[in-house]
Amino acid sequence: NAGVTQTPKFRVLKTGQSMTLLCAQDMNHEYMYWYRQDPGMGLRLIHYSVGEGTTAKGEVPDGYNVSRLKKQNFLLGLESAAPSQTSVYFCASSRRVSGANVLTFGAGSRLTVL
Amino acid sequence: RKEVEQDPGPFNVPEGATVAFNCTYSNSASQSFFWYRQDCRKEPKLLMSVYSSGNEDGRFTAQLNRASQYISLLIRDSKLSDSATYLCVVNNGRGSTLGRLYFGRGTQLTVWP
Repeated sequence: NAGVTQTPKFRVLKTGQSMTLLCAQDMNHEYMYWYRQDPGMGLRLIHYSVGEGTTAKGEVPDGYNVSRLKKQNFLLGLESAAPSQTSVYFCASSRRVSGANVLTFGAGSRLTVL
Repeated sequence: RKEVEQDPGPFNVPEGATVAFNCTYSNSASQSFFWYRQDCRKEPKLLMSVYSSGNEDGRFTAQLNRASQYISLLIRDSKLSDSATYLCVVNNGRGSTLGRLYFGRGTQLTVWP
């Protein structure tokens, strides 16, 4: 059982380039999330999805777009990468549990923007 | 004011010591509370949920104080393998509402031999 899989694990971009991070989960979870983690900042929610075809903004959505065309996949796009987007990105998923959505995280994707 | 605040530490304790972390949250309507553990350069993983009556899992005890809006984690008989960052997480969802999960910045623990 793979759980939550993120690709790629590492990526270096130049300013202005675009890229997509892929998150896939095989647990049939309804909810999926994208977080970024920066030193001293903790985990911050970028976007999330409560089901196939629906997405919503989180705490720091600017500069990112997302899509959830299939229940098992949640894509995070950077249209024009900036150095401020250098970070570790974590995808997570959870099932619909009343008031107690426990997250399962992927291993993370380390992105550096030069 | 941040939704969830934690003392970042670091806490450096010898093996066998007892160590406690506290976390405060700002939203009195918060419904669910958790402690996650994150090892260096790894993803966070659920350590334990925090229930209103307090709960224990082996050497770990979690407490919730709604009146003062804080959560605590007590680790007894610390092991080297307990070295990690501990994240306090709060969910302000109600019933079936997804709510928002807010993460503290984490408290770093190092257990030395």
